[in-house]
Amino acid sequence: DAKTTQPNSMESNEEEPVHLPCNHSTISGTDYIHWYRQLPSQGPEYVIHGLTSNVNNRMASLAIAEDRKSSTLILHRATLRDAAVYYCILRVGNAGNMLTFGGGTRLMVKP
Amino acid sequence: SQTIHQWPATLVQPVGSPLSLECTVEGTSNPNLYWYRQAAGRGLQLLFYSVGIGQISSEVPQNLSASRPQDRQFILSSKKLLLSDSGFYLCAWTRTPGPNYGYTFGSGTRLTVV
Repeated sequence: DAKTTQPNSMESNEEEPVHLPCNHSTISGTDYIHWYRQLPSQGPEYVIHGLTSNVNNRMASLAIAEDRKSSTLILHRATLRDAAVYYCILRVGNAGNMLTFGGGTRLMVKP
Repeated sequence: SQTIHQWPATLVQPVGSPLSLECTVEGTSNPNLYWYRQAAGRGLQLLFYSVGIGQISSEVPQNLSASRPQDRQFILSSKKLLLSDSGFYLCAWTRTPGPNYGYTFGSGTRLTVV
């Protein structure tokens, strides 16, 4: 999978919006942008994914830049339960559909 | 709906002992299956993946092996555990084909080799 760059950590206040950035300047036209999060002592959890258009679901919104070289995961109202490591991953349609995790962004939510 | 089961949740094994971790998926057919490991304080490392029964691809050379005896069953094994095998083992599945589907992870097995 192509490489992504995320800040190591971010802080947010509870009940405020959070914008988690991801840079992926080498993205190709068929790469999907996926976001996962991992809460402490748990397996990763799917959050959202998209290709070109912005996407919304019950957990978050994904804003994709027009040139697709960056994206932003938006949590509309952070709660203490949103404290986790958030991973931005590019997925290509190779034979194994493998998901390669980077370091992610550790989000800390302050009450 | 689809569910993924992974067991046991925790395991403490002596060095040199064998290992068998099992993962099963329900509610789908012909899934892609994956084993990941996360060492303490580290990132997730892909160990094995399978696109079908009996088809196993290894991403990292080690003393672990994987098998897929049935369509929705994925097993991680070792004949002799090393201290370095300690970690959090996660099974995952996704639909085939294509990258337009999310992964679903199991709840994981925390293995401590002593």
